[in-house]
Amino acid sequence: EVHLVESGGGLVQPGGSLRLSCAVSGFTFRNYWMHWVRQVPGEGLVWVSRINGDETSTSYADSVKGRFTISRDNTKNMLFLQMNSLTAEDTAVYYCVRDDTYPDYWGQGTLVTVSS
Amino acid sequence: DIQMTQSPSSLAASIGDTITITCRASQDIDVYLNWYQQKPGKAPKLLVYYASTLANGVSSRFSGSGSGTEFTLTINSLQLEDFATYSCQQSYSIQWTFGRGTRVEVK
Repeated sequence: EVHLVESGGGLVQPGGSLRLSCAVSGFTFRNYWMHWVRQVPGEGLVWVSRINGDETSTSYADSVKGRFTISRDNTKNMLFLQMNSLTAEDTAVYYCVRDDTYPDYWGQGTLVTVSS
Repeated sequence: DIQMTQSPSSLAASIGDTITITCRASQDIDVYLNWYQQKPGKAPKLLVYYASTLANGVSSRFSGSGSGTEFTLTINSLQLEDFATYSCQQSYSIQWTFGRGTRVEVK
């Protein structure tokens, strides 16, 4: 059974950093592109970043480019999102998502709150 | 970026009703359109992918159609558990974009 479990969220001050993790199981991790999608509570879903299976290709939304870095460890079945220079606009629930040419499995999300 | 315009933003319906939600893409996305159901505090649940293919375990009361720029999600015989928010999403582009959601409420 496929499982994705995010962790690492929490309260951080503006300008601070946070590293999100997503532990996956139940499938051959290296065979799949993975994404991060975020959602401000009560609002719509917004794509953040994606990475291909062998980590040779990454993409970012303009709103996070230069501040966020996506990575993965295929030996440990882990996906990461390093978030730097955080602002209040980054406050959201962050989901890791498996891409099977469509987003088929989502984690339960981890809440990031940027506030002083 | 490909813009996804979803309508209506909300609707009120009764149990047993049939409802339709529409999603329009700002450019041709072939059939790379997916639909999700989301309940408060929960992750999105995939309902339909490739515009019309039902995801595993999803009730046949849900159906999707369309291609190119115009798509619909239909829910037949609305049940209590169907009251939720529904969103469309394009996976034609590497940079996914989502509709703003349709909240289905009890009339």
